[in-house]
Amino acid sequence: NAGVTQTPKFQVLKTGQSMTLQCAQDMNHEYMSWYRQDPGMGLRLIHYSVGAGITDQGEVPNGYNVSRSTTEDFPLRLLSAAPSQTSVYFCASSASTPGGTGRNTEAFFGQGTRLTVV
Amino acid sequence: GEDVEQSLFLSVREGDSSVINCTYTDSSSTYLYWYKQEPGAGLQLLTYIFSNMDMKQDQRLTVLLNKKDKHLSLRIADTQTGDSAIYFCASEGGATNKLIFGTGTLLAVQP
Repeated sequence: NAGVTQTPKFQVLKTGQSMTLQCAQDMNHEYMSWYRQDPGMGLRLIHYSVGAGITDQGEVPNGYNVSRSTTEDFPLRLLSAAPSQTSVYFCASSASTPGGTGRNTEAFFGQGTRLTVV
Repeated sequence: GEDVEQSLFLSVREGDSSVINCTYTDSSSTYLYWYKQEPGAGLQLLTYIFSNMDMKQDQRLTVLLNKKDKHLSLRIADTQTGDSAIYFCASEGGATNKLIFGTGTLLAVQP
């Protein structure tokens, strides 16, 4: 049981390049999300998905796209990388959707992708 | 929107108790969580509390919830050097499908 797998672990991009951060989970979780972690800012939600075919924006969605064609995969696309997108990116999944379900929604995190845009 | 706030840094000596505080704004949160992040790793769930509880104890960990003041705390008894990490408070938006994290508190344990 691999849990949540993120690739790559490290990436350096030039300004204006595009790339996709991969995230896959093997726990059949409905809810998946992407966060970025910056010093002094905590984790900020970029995009999330409550199930295959359904995505929505978080706090800081600009410059990022997501799709959820399968339950397992939730890739994050940077359309045109900017230095402000230098950060550590975390993908997370949980069995149920936060809020209103009355069920504990423990989030399982990947190991992170450290992205530098120069 | 929803907001979760924590102090950024706490330093304690080995064997002392640590208390990490958190305030949140969403009064409809059903669950509140504490996550731990060790260097170079993702976050792992440490403990959680249901919003109708005031206190939860789990071995060296005690979570206190003051729902009126929207204040959550995590107490670690007999703090060890292995407890050095960043601790995140998180609330799940009762009216939204979001898990909102605080800024994280870096706990440094001095030997």
